[in-house]
Amino acid sequence: EVQLVESGGGLVQPGGSLRLSCVGSGFTFRSYDMHWVRQAPGKGLEWVSGIGTPGDTYYSDSVKGRFTISRENSKNSMYLQMNSLRDGDTAVYYCTRGGSGGEFDPWGQGTLVTVSS
Amino acid sequence: QSALTQPASVSGSPGQSITISCAGTNSDVGNFNLVSWYQQHAGKAPKLMIYEVNKRPSGVSNRFSGSKSGNTASLTISGLQAEDEADYYCCSYAGSRIFVVFGGGTRLTVL
Repeated sequence: EVQLVESGGGLVQPGGSLRLSCVGSGFTFRSYDMHWVRQAPGKGLEWVSGIGTPGDTYYSDSVKGRFTISRENSKNSMYLQMNSLRDGDTAVYYCTRGGSGGEFDPWGQGTLVTVSS
Repeated sequence: QSALTQPASVSGSPGQSITISCAGTNSDVGNFNLVSWYQQHAGKAPKLMIYEVNKRPSGVSNRFSGSKSGNTASLTISGLQAEDEADYYCCSYAGSRIFVVFGGGTRLTVL
């Protein structure tokens, strides 16, 4: 069974940092693009960042310069280093596998990041 | 404000069919046959229902179908069932700089 499990969420003050992790299982992790998608409380989905199989990275304008995505294929893992966090970054962050048609499947259960003083 | 426009809510009775629209531009929906749809039940992670406009992943009921005309994509659910009650999001590839854009989501109520 293909599975993605996120961890690392929590409460952080504005301006602080947090590192999210995602571990994949049941598939050849190194062969897939991987992404982070977030959902603010009561709001819709927002693509945050993606990393390709060769390590190329992509970011939404809302997080560019503050967030860094990375992967460690030997550990079937992907990370999101989040710096200079703002209130607007409060959301559930989902890890998801990218498909050849730009689709996302499957999704992890999500990890909640709360930015508040 | 989301990049793709969806109706906030739709409803239907069991057994009926409903269609959810997803309006984009010629920079996203109209330029690529790379529209996907996601179902999200309350408190759960999204689930892929349709990809590349009209393809169904293994395990997704054939009651779900997708289409596209110009800059607007659509998701049709036939033979509505109570379990279909959920939020639905469309998503389109939008090029290498923006990557993807999502719709604001549509809440489906099964009456």
